[in-house]
Amino acid sequence: GAVVSQHPSWVICKSGTSVKIECRSLDFQATTMFWYRQFPKQSLMLMATSNEGSKATYEQGVEKDKFLINHASLTLSTLTVTSAHPEDSSFYICSASGTYEGKQYFGPGTRLTVT
Amino acid sequence: QKEVEQNSGPLSVPEGAIASLNCTYSDRVSQSFFWYRQYSGKSPELIMSIYSNGDKEDGRFTAQLNKASQYVSLLIRDSQPSDSATYLCAVKDTGRRALTFGSGTRLQVQP
Repeated sequence: GAVVSQHPSWVICKSGTSVKIECRSLDFQATTMFWYRQFPKQSLMLMATSNEGSKATYEQGVEKDKFLINHASLTLSTLTVTSAHPEDSSFYICSASGTYEGKQYFGPGTRLTVT
Repeated sequence: QKEVEQNSGPLSVPEGAIASLNCTYSDRVSQSFFWYRQYSGKSPELIMSIYSNGDKEDGRFTAQLNKASQYVSLLIRDSQPSDSATYLCAVKDTGRRALTFGSGTRLQVQP
């Protein structure tokens, strides 16, 4: 099956610093990658959609200057949380899709804690 | 606003029983349908995809799609305690790459 990795799996950072999360598709080329956020006991919330080589499309209410997304290749996308604050503490999950049918494969997620 | 609706549960079934999870969607031209399983504290895992009306079976799982009724369901036969998780229904709409997810149904399989 399709495998998606994320790094790091968890990170603790101080308020005001930036954190970069990497998402890689290991055995397929991902034309589209997605970034989600999930708070405890809540639903997945789509933050943005990114296509290789083009700017990400952000969902309404997501600050593009705070959550920087780069999709430089067909196997790598990164999410940078800039000037992190405690309210940014959450579970960030990426997914990747290489098919028109829209099948998405999720990475294992990154748990971010901002102190 | 295109929507995917699921009963939040919890749906409690005894071990060995059939668990039936349901999902309705609002966009008549939706073309692809998926079921994901999410264990607590983990990311979602794709377990079934279905694209045309009817049933699709994979092991203990059967997905059922009825586009006329805008309804998709997941049956889990011989439920096991390890099936206890939240099951997410997801729909792909035309003209949009992202999936629309339901809020999930929590399934509890009682030993």
